[in-house]
Amino acid sequence: KAGVTQTPRYLIKTRGQQVTLSCSPISGHRSVSWYQQTPGQGLQFLFEYFSETQRNKGNFPGRFSGRQFSNSRSEMNVSTLELGDSALYLCASSLGRGNTGELFFGEGSRLTVL
Amino acid sequence: SQQGEEDPQALSIQEGENATMNCSYKTSINNLQWYRQNSGRGLVHLILIRSNEREKHSGRLRVTLDTSKKSSSLLITASRAADTASYFCATRSDRDDKIIFGKGTRLHILP
Repeated sequence: KAGVTQTPRYLIKTRGQQVTLSCSPISGHRSVSWYQQTPGQGLQFLFEYFSETQRNKGNFPGRFSGRQFSNSRSEMNVSTLELGDSALYLCASSLGRGNTGELFFGEGSRLTVL
Repeated sequence: SQQGEEDPQALSIQEGENATMNCSYKTSINNLQWYRQNSGRGLVHLILIRSNEREKHSGRLRVTLDTSKKSSSLLITASRAADTASYFCATRSDRDDKIIFGKGTRLHILP
């Protein structure tokens, strides 16, 4: 069974640009959540989707958005990039709504903003 | 401070020794989970303990949960070089249903 796949793995952008990251969950998993990881702030929850609906959202500005498709694949978008958006963005999937089960993580997308 | 704070922030021990990491949280929870992350990689689930459980074992891992103190500990026995990684606890708040990770403990096993 294939694991969680995140693309791209690495990318470099400049300030003001926008970026879209993709996450393909494990087959059969309907819940996808996103996290930002930086050395200073650690792992910060961005949002969580279940069956194409956003269930929860972390404390990030509106420049951060996401969506989930009918096949459970998810994308997150960051517009008007800032230097502080440089981070490892991690996606995780789980079977159900996630509050009772483990999260399966992808290897992450490492974003560098210049 | 943020829910899911681990301590110590960093820990270096000799191979073969036991490593203990602690996690504190603030709100009521359904369960608490521990994850491991090798440098720059994704997280790997280690163990889940439910709020009505006090202790759980999995191989060389032992997790305890004290809901009255809102704290958990992860013990790794007979450490190996491959255990070198960062360890995070994660909780889902009963209040707002958000998933919160701690800042992690960086464990370094010395040969």
